Amino acid sequence: AQKITQTQPGMFVQEKEAVTLDCTYDTSDPSYGLFWYKQPSSGEMIFLIYQGSYDQQNATEGRYSLNFQKARKSANLVISASQLGDSAMYFCAMRELSGGYQKVTFGIGTKLQVIP
Amino acid sequence: GAGVSQSPSNKVTEKGKDVELRCDPISGHTALYWYRQSLGQGLEFLIYFQGNSAPDKSGLPSDRFSAERTGGSVSTLTIQRTQQEDSAVYLCASSESGRALETQYFGPGTRLLVL
Repeated sequence: AQKITQTQPGMFVQEKEAVTLDCTYDTSDPSYGLFWYKQPSSGEMIFLIYQGSYDQQNATEGRYSLNFQKARKSANLVISASQLGDSAMYFCAMRELSGGYQKVTFGIGTKLQVIP
Repeated sequence: GAGVSQSPSNKVTEKGKDVELRCDPISGHTALYWYRQSLGQGLEFLIYFQGNSAPDKSGLPSDRFSAERTGGSVSTLTIQRTQQEDSAVYLCASSESGRALETQYFGPGTRLLVL
């Protein structure tokens, strides 16, 4: 089974609108972390937001929020008031402990395009 | 402060040659990670260093790949007898102490093209 599933290969959103990027995960570890990264065309991976498995509240960072639904194993990224500069690839990732080592798994990404 | 740096930024090599990719983590970060990103794909974990502990090499795709980290800082990823399928962007990341739920910070990557 896929550890991280991003089902939307591409998304379009109108500038100033909100958009939700889907991410579901699979783990049996009770302690894990969920991350979202942005990768613009320049190639750099930019950390956006983090949610710990024990966090009670959804994480928020400026225009980014993470809709964490633990029972459904989903960690969707919500971008409010989209800007042209938000056009990029977005990757969901999970970190968990396995056999004493950290395991980090990335999804295949969602390409977001913001339309003026 | 300075972020993660990688060199070279681009590398073109011939099939069968060896290449070395370098990563300078953020100063003070004890954990260092290497990933590979093939065209249009997500990131593939390669190897993880945490302090002086034995590295987690579980992601290395073949024995042509190796990595070392000298002095707990700079790391070098070596690919021997390169193949065309090794063409990808190689990303390095570091984190402060390697705790499981810690944020990783990525470098700009090295774009490797094997002809």
